[in-house]
Amino acid sequence: SQTIHQWPATLVQPVGSPLSLECTVEGTSNPNLYWYRQAAGRGLQLLFYSVGIGQISSEVPQNLSASRPQDRQFILSSKKLLLSDSGFYLCAWSGGTTLPSSYNEQFFGPGTRLTVL
Amino acid sequence: SQQGEEDPQALSIQEGENATMNCSYKTSINNLQWYRQNSGRGLVHLILIRSNEREKHSGRLRVTLDTSKKSSSLLITASRAADTASYFCATASYSGYSTLTFGKGTMLLVSP
Repeated sequence: SQTIHQWPATLVQPVGSPLSLECTVEGTSNPNLYWYRQAAGRGLQLLFYSVGIGQISSEVPQNLSASRPQDRQFILSSKKLLLSDSGFYLCAWSGGTTLPSSYNEQFFGPGTRLTVL
Repeated sequence: SQQGEEDPQALSIQEGENATMNCSYKTSINNLQWYRQNSGRGLVHLILIRSNEREKHSGRLRVTLDTSKKSSSLLITASRAADTASYFCATASYSGYSTLTFGKGTMLLVSP
């Protein structure tokens, strides 16, 4: 079966510090990968998605970046955090070798709660 | 921008009652999905309905889709306290990359 991991679960960082959040998927190959941010009481905002190694599409211009160094690894980074970067960050995957290509239901990780002070 | 808009924003019912949540969207879609999120957790996929389908069932869940009105509804029958969560609709405008656009969600509280 497929599983998705995110770490850390919670993070408190000062303004101006760097950020690295990691997401890994097990049990499938060549998945589409996604990073979302959820502000308190709000819906999900798609930040980045990737359809393959080294392929990153950005949905929202900001001081965040994403990388996909391996097939099942997705990393969200920032060189200098802003207060507005606080939120709940969710990684998700879809497709891959275990589901038909026409499927695009997404499977979410447990999330990382980021607080920037 | 957010495609789906859920209504109501919050819903409070008693156990055993039915809960109905609505979602409206603006552009044509390939499919519409409903997700559930328990407080502080990731989202869990509940059901997917394609644009050529009008109704779909899964256990106590019933989803309808009216593409002419660009709206969908999620019905949870015989609700339980464990159904307390936020429910999101998400639309897929197929572009080959399978991205979803989520609404802001309906917060459902089921009291024992």
